[in-house]
Amino acid sequence: AQSVTQLGSHVSVSEGALVLLRCNYSSSVPPYLFWYVQYPNQGLQLLLKYTSAATLVKGINGFEAEFKKSETSFHLTKPSAHMSDAAEYFCAVSGTGRRALTFGSGTRLQVQP
Amino acid sequence: DAGVIQSPRHEVTEMGQEVTLRCKPISGHNSLFWYRQTMMRGLELLIYFNNNVPIDDSGMPEDRFSAKMPNASFSTLKIQPSEPRDSAVYFCASTLGGTDNEQFFGPGTRLTVL
Repeated sequence: AQSVTQLGSHVSVSEGALVLLRCNYSSSVPPYLFWYVQYPNQGLQLLLKYTSAATLVKGINGFEAEFKKSETSFHLTKPSAHMSDAAEYFCAVSGTGRRALTFGSGTRLQVQP
Repeated sequence: DAGVIQSPRHEVTEMGQEVTLRCKPISGHNSLFWYRQTMMRGLELLIYFNNNVPIDDSGMPEDRFSAKMPNASFSTLKIQPSEPRDSAVYFCASTLGGTDNEQFFGPGTRLTVL
């Protein structure tokens, strides 16, 4: 079985500040981990993914995430928030034999001017 | 590429009516997924197809829900009869190949059942 926990349903940062969105996973098989972003009234867009290559993964829009097996974490970071980063972010997991994604509950990021 | 296409974008219906949601995956993709998004339950898988064959329908709520994929370029999700608790945003996504590949999501269908 696989599951994802996102700590913090809402995160608010100032423009230019560090963004840190937390994700912990549980998986009985080596996981594939994803971060998706959803802008209002739109579908989900892939930010980045971990597929057992490099543990530090770089994505679009300046985001990156680090896979830490010992902590079962895959936290998303961005050094400097921009107003356009305001959206909802979902961490998701899949694994061998299960193509469908299991999503976390999402974190809504607000960026204050 | 036009991306994943869903129709309608919005649907308002009355309880008891039949609702059909449609999805056209990206050409060449061989897996198709239907997800539902609600405030209470978040994003959850309803069903997914691989090469037009249903592989996992464990997320389909009950017999009122059915999904078909008659060919590689079209899928439907039908609710009959609809109930107010079915109100949600329904997303279709498609991908090519393995479990580690990106799923491409459509814009979703916002369903409201009165």
